[in-house]
Parts: sequence; C-alpha cells; structure tokens
Amino acid sequence: GQQVMQIPQYQHVQEGEDFTTYCNSSTTLSNIQWYKQRPGGHPVFLIQLVKSGEVKKQKRLTFQFGEAKKNSSLHITATQTTDVGTYFCAGPRGEYGNKLVFGAGTILRVKS
Amino acid sequence: DGGITQSPKYLFRKEGQNVTLSCEQNLNHDAMYWYRQDPGQGLRLIYYSQIVNDFQKGDIAEGYSVSREKKESFPLTVTSAQKNPTAFYLCASTPWDNYGYTFGSGTRLTVV
Repeated sequence: GQQVMQIPQYQHVQEGEDFTTYCNSSTTLSNIQWYKQRPGGHPVFLIQLVKSGEVKKQKRLTFQFGEAKKNSSLHITATQTTDVGTYFCAGPRGEYGNKLVFGAGTILRVKS
Repeated sequence: DGGITQSPKYLFRKEGQNVTLSCEQNLNHDAMYWYRQDPGQGLRLIYYSQIVNDFQKGDIAEGYSVSREKKESFPLTVTSAQKNPTAFYLCASTPWDNYGYTFGSGTRLTVV
C-alpha cells in the first residue's frame, strides 16, 4: 500500500543551527501537507503544497515539493527553542481525497 | 472560538471493557476522522466520515466502531476486541477535499 517515509527519525541541534527533514512517498501525490506537534500536544497544520517544484516560506521555515511530486522537504533556518516538536508530512491516499497517510515524523530537539 | 473538542483527555480502561471517546466540532466541517498515534509512529487512520450517517473503515478499524448521527459529532468506541488499545487518539476534521486537518487535543487511553 501507499507509504510515506520521513528521515531522519530524530535530530538534536544547537540553537541557531539549521534543520531539514525529508519526506518521500511511494506514489505520486496530488498535494503534500506538513504538520507540527509540540511535546504533549496535538498536530497543527502548517502548510499544503500542490504544484510540482513548489516552494513556500513561512518566516524561517521553507517547504519544497519535488518535481515528481513524490518528495518534499522542510527546512528551518537558525532554529529556536520554540521549534521543538515533531514534524509530520502527509499525503492523500490515492490521487484525490482527503484521507491522509502520515509519515512517522521527525523529532526535533534544540539545545540552547 | 471554533474548534474540535475531545473528551476525556485521559481515559483508563479495564480489560474487557468498551469505552467511548467523544469528538465534537463547531467548525461546520463535513469530513471527520479518527487517528491513532503510537510512540515513534505516524498517525494511522481508524475511521472517517464524509457526511452524516455515513462512515468508512480506515487502515486499523478492527476493534473500533463509530457513529455519525450529527454533523458536529463523531464518537469512537474502543471495544474489548481491540487487543492493544493503549495509545493517543486524535480526532480531526476538514471542510473539503485536499485541505489541512484541524485536530482536537486528543485522548490518551490506557489499559489497566
């Protein structure tokens, strides 16, 4: 079945360093979504990418959708302690629809 | 403020018991979902509902049941047939296809 894989599973960075998490789907995606879950909290929707090669920025966060629409990345510039949490990517099951398949997530820890 | 309310926040179940997790939304969203989250894993889909009085099984529906009698409500029952129910349960909703989920704050279920 459809799989969404994320690497790395875990990353521990010094405050001010950059961070990147990568997401790969076994199938072509109509869109990809990113969520952040703070420790002890629930996932919060960050962004959706739809177009091949799309790049979107939210302050220090840069999101990319691959040309083949099978991979994506999230890059955080100059991490802060507020960036701590688990970052999930997710893609729709099948070509359309809103039932998401989630990656296992990347846990980010930031040392101050 | 609009949102999704899950209750209770913590729930303890004895062996052989059925328990029901509540999920209520006032966002006027049509689609609602139940996901299960285990440590180190992504979210796995249990059940989803696109409209009132209709719902479909997700990837791990065995041992669970749902109902959708009202647009605002999508309760999940964890039955005694679910052999490993200890997990974090998340309810979510969306207004239409291919749009980001709004999650509730979750229910942590523990078998005692």
